[in-house]
Amino acid sequence: AQSVTQLDSQVPVFEEAPVELRCNYSSSVSVYLFWYVQYPNQGLQLLLKYLSGSTLVESINGFEAEFNKSQTSFHLRKPSVHISDTAEYFCAVRFIQGAQKLVFGQGTRLTINP
Amino acid sequence: ETGVTQSPTHLIKTRGQQVTLRCSSQSGHNTVSWYQQALGQGPQFIFQYYREEENGRGNFPPRFSGLQFPNYSSELNVNALELDDSALYLCASSPGYATGELFFGEGSRLTVL
Repeated sequence: AQSVTQLDSQVPVFEEAPVELRCNYSSSVSVYLFWYVQYPNQGLQLLLKYLSGSTLVESINGFEAEFNKSQTSFHLRKPSVHISDTAEYFCAVRFIQGAQKLVFGQGTRLTINP
Repeated sequence: ETGVTQSPTHLIKTRGQQVTLRCSSQSGHNTVSWYQQALGQGPQFIFQYYREEENGRGNFPPRFSGLQFPNYSSELNVNALELDDSALYLCASSPGYATGELFFGEGSRLTVL
């Protein structure tokens, strides 16, 4: 079965500390990979994506994620977090064959403490 | 460029009632998808429309139905509402069938009492 697992439901960190949010997926076909962020009472915003090419992708606000095909992972990292990064983060997978649907993980709530 | 807009933003219904949620896709996008996000969960795929035809459906019963109009806007209809239908309903559009990225609206929060 095709699925996405976010290994941590909550991650508390101090401001300016590094953070890693983990994501693993299972699939028998090729995939596109995404990280979305959801601020309170808002919809989802795309943070970054991997479609092809370089396995390390970066966002404009300092996040990066690395696609590891052998470990079927797409972990999200930031070297120094800010209070404004407090949000829910969702890893999502699109399986290249079939309908253009995203399969989401359960989400990781990132809480930044001053 | 106008993003994805959804209406209403909040609504309350009672069990057994019917609800219609609306979505205007981003300009130039011909594919619309709907997702259900229960409290504390990740979004779950309901169905997708491409050029007014349903071309993918998730594990939702037939009382969840939809439409896409010639201007690519869309509706989600849910009949015989149940308490478990309480959720945030997200609409997403994309510019073409082959692309991977979806653009989400702010959602419609449905409460069923």
